[in-house]
Amino acid sequence: DQQVKQNSPSLSVQEGRISILNCDYTNSMFDYFLWYKKYPAEGPTFLISISSIKDKNEDGRFTVFLNKSAKHLSLHIVPSQPGDSAVYFCAASGASNFGNEKLTFGTGTRLTIIP
Amino acid sequence: GAVVSQHPSRVICKSGTSVKIECRSLDFQATTMFWYRQFPKQSLMLMATSNEGSKATYEQGVEKDKFLINHASLTLSTLTVTSAHPEDSSFYICSTRQGTTEAFFGQGTRLTVV
Repeated sequence: DQQVKQNSPSLSVQEGRISILNCDYTNSMFDYFLWYKKYPAEGPTFLISISSIKDKNEDGRFTVFLNKSAKHLSLHIVPSQPGDSAVYFCAASGASNFGNEKLTFGTGTRLTIIP
Repeated sequence: GAVVSQHPSRVICKSGTSVKIECRSLDFQATTMFWYRQFPKQSLMLMATSNEGSKATYEQGVEKDKFLINHASLTLSTLTVTSAHPEDSSFYICSTRQGTTEAFFGQGTRLTVV
């Protein structure tokens, strides 16, 4: 039962344009969402997060949008740069046990930025 | 952010042998560590949650006698893959949360069983 889904396994975007990565979830108990970037044979690197009390969080080129009613979140990267090419995972957790709640990951989207 | 160091980064072992993977939190005390496994082109799947000084909690379908987890101190958790077989070949990653809402990950260990 995949509670966090990333339906696009891959995405190619021209350098300088906007990259939009999507994520859907089914568990209504999730209330904290994160995006991670991962290169092969390395651990994930945290990018940005959002709490369910917000609908948008922005950090530099990265913006995450959350639509709770649709159980959908998206990561926008603008402008896209070649170094952004990687696999992106969205992750979700509850906050019932703040600080040591496990993360549930999506299946990942491989983003390729075309120079 | 927190620093999590995982060792070794890559290991090749013979079928039937055991392999130990270490995960250290370098700049804070980690009462909880998570162990994930990733197959090629697949998501990170949580295997178990290790708690300092107590038994690990394993996810459904994960054999606790095969994947031994020890969290004897606040800075070190170990995962031992016992009697490894080729199907255990995978990428193993540890993680911890520092009382904030981010999770920090180790560099991962690529295990190949031949």
